[in-house]
Amino acid sequence: GQQVMQIPQYQHVQEGEDFTTYCNSSTTLSNIQWYKQRPGGHPVFLIQLVKSGEVKKQKRLTFQFGEAKKNSSLHITATQTTDVGTYFCAEPYNTDKLIFGTGTRLQVFP
Amino acid sequence: SQTIHQWPATLVQPVGSPLSLECTVEGTSNPNLYWYRQAAGRGLQLLFYSIGIDQISSEVPQNLSASRPQDRQFILSSKKLLLSDSGFYLCAWTPRLSGNTIYFGEGSWLTVV
Repeated sequence: GQQVMQIPQYQHVQEGEDFTTYCNSSTTLSNIQWYKQRPGGHPVFLIQLVKSGEVKKQKRLTFQFGEAKKNSSLHITATQTTDVGTYFCAEPYNTDKLIFGTGTRLQVFP
Repeated sequence: SQTIHQWPATLVQPVGSPLSLECTVEGTSNPNLYWYRQAAGRGLQLLFYSIGIDQISSEVPQNLSASRPQDRQFILSSKKLLLSDSGFYLCAWTPRLSGNTIYFGEGSWLTVV
Protein backbone atom coordinates (compact mmCIF):
# COMPACT_ATOMS: atom_id res chain seq x y z
CA GLY A 1 0.00 0.00 0.00
CA GLN A 2 0.91 3.65 -0.36
CA GLN A 3 3.09 5.18 2.37
CA VAL A 4 4.72 8.49 3.05
CA MET A 5 8.45 8.55 3.72
CA GLN A 6 9.68 9.81 7.03
CA ILE A 7 13.23 10.26 8.21
CA PRO A 8 14.92 9.26 10.33
CA GLN A 9 13.44 5.88 11.14
CA TYR A 10 14.91 5.95 14.65
CA GLN A 11 16.39 8.67 16.81
CA HIS A 12 18.01 8.27 20.20
CA VAL A 13 18.71 11.49 22.08
CA GLN A 14 19.85 12.54 25.52
CA GLU A 15 17.21 14.30 27.54
CA GLY A 16 17.45 18.02 26.82
CA GLU A 17 18.61 17.60 23.25
CA ASP A 18 16.48 18.65 20.31
CA PHE A 19 14.78 16.28 17.87
CA THR A 20 13.45 16.69 14.35
CA THR A 21 11.56 14.33 12.06
CA TYR A 22 10.88 15.02 8.41
CA CYS A 23 8.06 13.91 6.18
CA ASN A 24 8.22 13.97 2.38
CA SER A 25 5.46 13.42 -0.13
CA SER A 26 5.63 13.01 -3.89
CA THR A 27 2.48 15.06 -4.34
CA THR A 28 1.25 18.50 -3.35
CA LEU A 29 -0.91 18.08 -0.27
CA SER A 30 -4.09 19.80 0.77
CA ASN A 31 -3.06 19.33 4.38
CA ILE A 32 -0.81 17.23 6.56
CA GLN A 33 -1.39 15.85 10.02
CA TRP A 34 0.89 14.65 12.80
CA TYR A 35 0.22 11.90 15.31
CA LYS A 36 2.07 10.51 18.31
CA GLN A 37 1.99 6.89 19.40
CA ARG A 38 3.32 6.07 22.84
CA PRO A 39 4.89 2.61 23.27
CA GLY A 40 2.10 0.05 23.47
CA GLY A 41 -0.55 2.66 22.71
CA HIS A 42 -2.53 3.93 19.78
CA PRO A 43 -1.76 6.98 17.63
CA VAL A 44 -3.17 10.25 18.90
CA PHE A 45 -3.75 13.33 16.77
CA LEU A 46 -1.41 16.24 17.45
CA ILE A 47 -2.02 18.86 14.78
CA GLN A 48 -3.09 19.61 11.23
CA LEU A 49 -1.30 22.02 8.88
CA VAL A 50 -3.12 23.47 5.91
CA LYS A 51 -1.42 26.58 4.60
CA SER A 52 1.79 26.79 2.58
CA GLY A 53 4.70 27.63 4.89
CA GLU A 54 2.52 27.32 7.96
CA VAL A 55 4.24 27.02 11.33
CA LYS A 56 2.39 25.96 14.46
CA LYS A 57 3.67 25.49 17.97
CA GLN A 58 2.50 23.37 20.86
CA LYS A 59 4.71 24.09 23.86
CA ARG A 60 8.08 22.53 22.92
CA LEU A 61 6.78 21.11 19.61
CA THR A 62 7.06 23.10 16.38
CA PHE A 63 5.31 21.90 13.23
CA GLN A 64 6.09 23.28 9.80
CA PHE A 65 4.48 22.81 6.39
CA GLY A 66 6.72 23.38 3.39
CA GLU A 67 6.18 26.23 0.97
CA ALA A 68 5.40 23.77 -1.81
CA LYS A 69 3.14 21.75 0.50
CA LYS A 70 5.08 18.59 -0.22
CA ASN A 71 6.99 18.23 3.01
CA SER A 72 6.63 18.83 6.69
CA SER A 73 8.68 18.67 9.85
CA LEU A 74 8.19 18.26 13.56
CA HIS A 75 10.80 19.71 15.87
CA ILE A 76 10.94 19.10 19.61
CA THR A 77 13.04 21.47 21.67
CA ALA A 78 14.75 20.15 24.81
CA THR A 79 13.30 16.65 24.73
CA GLN A 80 11.93 15.03 27.86
CA THR A 81 11.35 11.37 28.63
CA THR A 82 7.65 11.97 28.14
CA ASP A 83 8.37 12.64 24.45
CA VAL A 84 9.25 8.98 23.89
CA GLY A 85 7.16 7.36 21.18
CA THR A 86 6.70 7.13 17.45
CA TYR A 87 5.73 10.22 15.50
CA PHE A 88 3.76 9.82 12.30
CA CYS A 89 2.83 12.28 9.63
CA ALA A 90 -0.29 11.53 7.62
CA GLU A 91 -1.56 12.83 4.33
CA PRO A 92 -5.02 12.69 2.78
CA TYR A 93 -5.48 10.16 0.00
CA ASN A 94 -8.46 10.44 -2.30
CA THR A 95 -11.44 11.76 -0.42
CA ASP A 96 -11.91 9.61 2.62
CA LYS A 97 -8.55 8.10 3.45
CA LEU A 98 -5.48 9.04 5.41
CA ILE A 99 -2.12 7.51 4.57
CA PHE A 100 0.44 7.44 7.34
CA GLY A 101 4.14 7.99 7.10
CA THR A 102 6.60 5.28 8.01
CA GLY A 103 7.10 6.92 11.40
CA THR A 104 10.07 8.06 13.44
CA ARG A 105 10.68 6.29 16.72
CA LEU A 106 12.11 8.60 19.36
CA GLN A 107 13.95 7.29 22.40
CA VAL A 108 15.04 9.74 25.08
CA PHE A 109 17.69 8.76 27.59
CA PRO A 110 17.58 10.48 30.99
CA SER B 1 -18.59 13.16 23.21
CA GLN B 2 -17.52 10.54 20.71
CA THR B 3 -15.82 7.35 21.80
CA ILE B 4 -14.51 4.31 19.99
CA HIS B 5 -14.33 0.86 21.48
CA GLN B 6 -12.37 -2.04 20.10
CA TRP B 7 -12.10 -5.61 21.35
CA PRO B 8 -10.55 -7.93 22.24
CA ALA B 9 -7.44 -6.08 23.35
CA THR B 10 -5.16 -9.07 22.94
CA LEU B 11 -5.52 -12.53 21.52
CA VAL B 12 -3.37 -15.48 20.61
CA GLN B 13 -4.74 -17.64 17.85
CA PRO B 14 -3.41 -20.77 16.14
CA VAL B 15 -2.69 -20.80 12.43
CA GLY B 16 -5.80 -21.75 10.49
CA SER B 17 -8.25 -20.53 13.11
CA PRO B 18 -10.85 -17.82 12.42
CA LEU B 19 -10.65 -14.23 13.60
CA SER B 20 -13.19 -11.63 14.56
CA LEU B 21 -12.26 -8.18 15.84
CA GLU B 22 -15.06 -5.77 16.60
CA CYS B 23 -15.19 -2.01 16.79
CA THR B 24 -18.01 0.35 17.68
CA VAL B 25 -18.21 4.12 17.69
CA GLU B 26 -20.51 6.07 19.99
CA GLY B 27 -21.66 9.65 20.00
CA THR B 28 -21.68 10.20 16.25
CA SER B 29 -23.57 9.03 13.22
CA ASN B 30 -22.52 8.06 9.72
CA PRO B 31 -18.78 8.06 10.43
CA ASN B 32 -16.11 6.85 8.06
CA LEU B 33 -14.57 3.72 9.58
CA TYR B 34 -11.14 2.21 9.07
CA TRP B 35 -9.05 -0.81 9.92
CA TYR B 36 -5.28 -0.32 10.06
CA ARG B 37 -2.60 -2.88 10.80
CA GLN B 38 0.75 -2.19 12.36
CA ALA B 39 3.42 -4.89 12.29
CA ALA B 40 5.82 -4.84 15.23
CA GLY B 41 7.89 -1.65 15.11
CA ARG B 42 6.47 -0.67 11.75
CA GLY B 43 4.15 1.92 10.25
CA LEU B 44 0.40 1.93 9.84
CA GLN B 45 -1.05 0.13 6.85
CA LEU B 46 -4.62 0.88 5.81
CA LEU B 47 -6.50 -2.38 5.31
CA PHE B 48 -10.16 -1.41 4.85
CA TYR B 49 -12.32 1.64 4.97
CA SER B 50 -16.04 2.16 4.91
CA ILE B 51 -18.19 5.18 4.16
CA GLY B 52 -21.47 3.50 5.05
CA ILE B 53 -23.31 0.31 5.95
CA ASP B 54 -22.21 -2.60 3.77
CA GLN B 55 -19.86 -0.28 1.85
CA ILE B 56 -16.36 -1.65 2.26
CA SER B 57 -13.23 -0.85 0.28
CA SER B 58 -10.17 -3.04 0.54
CA GLU B 59 -6.80 -1.38 0.19
CA VAL B 60 -4.52 -4.39 -0.06
CA PRO B 61 -5.08 -8.01 -1.10
CA GLN B 62 -4.92 -10.20 1.95
CA ASN B 63 -6.34 -12.92 4.07
CA LEU B 64 -8.76 -10.63 5.88
CA SER B 65 -12.21 -9.22 5.27
CA ALA B 66 -14.28 -6.47 6.84
CA SER B 67 -17.98 -5.91 7.33
CA ARG B 68 -20.15 -3.05 8.52
CA PRO B 69 -23.53 -4.46 9.48
CA GLN B 70 -24.57 -1.31 11.36
CA ASP B 71 -23.71 2.36 10.99
CA ARG B 72 -21.30 2.44 13.92
CA GLN B 73 -20.03 -1.12 13.91
CA PHE B 74 -17.02 -2.36 11.98
CA ILE B 75 -15.79 -5.95 12.07
CA LEU B 76 -12.51 -7.41 10.87
CA SER B 77 -12.55 -11.13 10.10
CA SER B 78 -10.57 -13.99 8.76
CA LYS B 79 -11.63 -17.55 8.02
CA LYS B 80 -8.13 -18.98 8.41
CA LEU B 81 -5.34 -17.03 10.04
CA LEU B 82 -1.77 -17.04 8.76
CA LEU B 83 1.38 -16.38 10.74
CA SER B 84 1.82 -13.17 8.75
CA ASP B 85 -1.49 -11.87 10.10
CA SER B 86 0.15 -11.17 13.45
CA GLY B 87 0.25 -7.52 14.38
CA PHE B 88 -1.47 -4.63 16.07
CA TYR B 89 -4.89 -3.91 14.56
CA LEU B 90 -6.37 -0.48 14.96
CA CYS B 91 -9.91 0.57 14.28
CA ALA B 92 -10.42 4.25 13.58
CA TRP B 93 -13.08 6.75 12.58
CA THR B 94 -13.43 10.17 11.06
CA PRO B 95 -16.43 12.46 11.02
CA ARG B 96 -18.09 12.49 7.63
CA LEU B 97 -17.95 16.03 6.32
CA SER B 98 -15.84 17.54 9.10
CA GLY B 99 -12.30 17.06 7.89
CA ASN B 100 -10.25 13.93 8.04
CA THR B 101 -8.62 13.97 11.46
CA ILE B 102 -8.66 10.34 12.48
CA TYR B 103 -9.43 8.93 15.93
CA PHE B 104 -8.11 5.52 16.84
CA GLY B 105 -9.36 2.82 19.13
CA GLU B 106 -7.09 1.26 21.72
CA GLY B 107 -6.00 -1.46 19.33
CA SER B 108 -5.95 -5.25 19.33
CA TRP B 109 -2.74 -7.22 19.60
CA LEU B 110 -3.01 -10.41 17.53
CA THR B 111 -0.40 -13.13 17.75
CA VAL B 112 -0.82 -16.08 15.41
CA VAL B 113 1.08 -19.14 16.58
